[in-house]
Amino acid sequence: GAGVSQSPRYKVAKRGQDVALRCDPISGHVSLFWYQQALGQGPEFLTYFQNEAQLDKSGLPSDRFFAERPEGSVSTLKIQRTQQEDSAVYLCASSLDRTSNYGYTFGSGTRLTVV
Amino acid sequence: TQLLEQSPQFLSIQEGENLTVYCNSSSVFSSLQWYRQEPGEGPVLLVTVVTGGEVKKLKRLTFQFGDARKDSSLHITAAQPGDTGLYLCAGAGGSSNTGKLIFGQGTTLQVKP
Repeated sequence: GAGVSQSPRYKVAKRGQDVALRCDPISGHVSLFWYQQALGQGPEFLTYFQNEAQLDKSGLPSDRFFAERPEGSVSTLKIQRTQQEDSAVYLCASSLDRTSNYGYTFGSGTRLTVV
Repeated sequence: TQLLEQSPQFLSIQEGENLTVYCNSSSVFSSLQWYRQEPGEGPVLLVTVVTGGEVKKLKRLTFQFGDARKDSSLHITAAQPGDTGLYLCAGAGGSSNTGKLIFGQGTTLQVKP
């Protein structure tokens, strides 16, 4: 596709429910990133894939968060047993090469609200 | 831990005024990027600066990368209501060269007509 596509755009989950957020990066983009963004704040890094390999997951806040990119294209961020503090916008971004020196293309994000 | 400090966090100005947003760090970055984000959308890349001392212009926006590659500024001349949004600086490289970007906390700009 022409851009990074994320689904769903909005998700309301009851506390304790599991959720799965999907990211379709730009075709051929090697690098894929997940970020978490609170309202009015800058995005905070969660995890990074280079093709199918998860090279950095240092930003995942707890073991309830899990990400995968099994075939090196589509990625899924899964949150188990959601808590209210998980409420945020989850952004996916991709870039053509292994560095980010020339910028990312971001999706529009998934707004997760845990009630 | 690499941090990027942006200032100011909020800015409300009248149409036609000039403004500068600052992005500072104690860390060296291989490049620094500026993004603009509108409500309900993802950040959109405005510019990447790579060389220390580099200045880039994008219409009424001027971006500068510090000589030591630790800081950057964004200057907007004659701001317009369409410039309203969240401006984010982000550093690449530095101590971990995984392609991860470190973002500042953002500057919310409101330009009143």
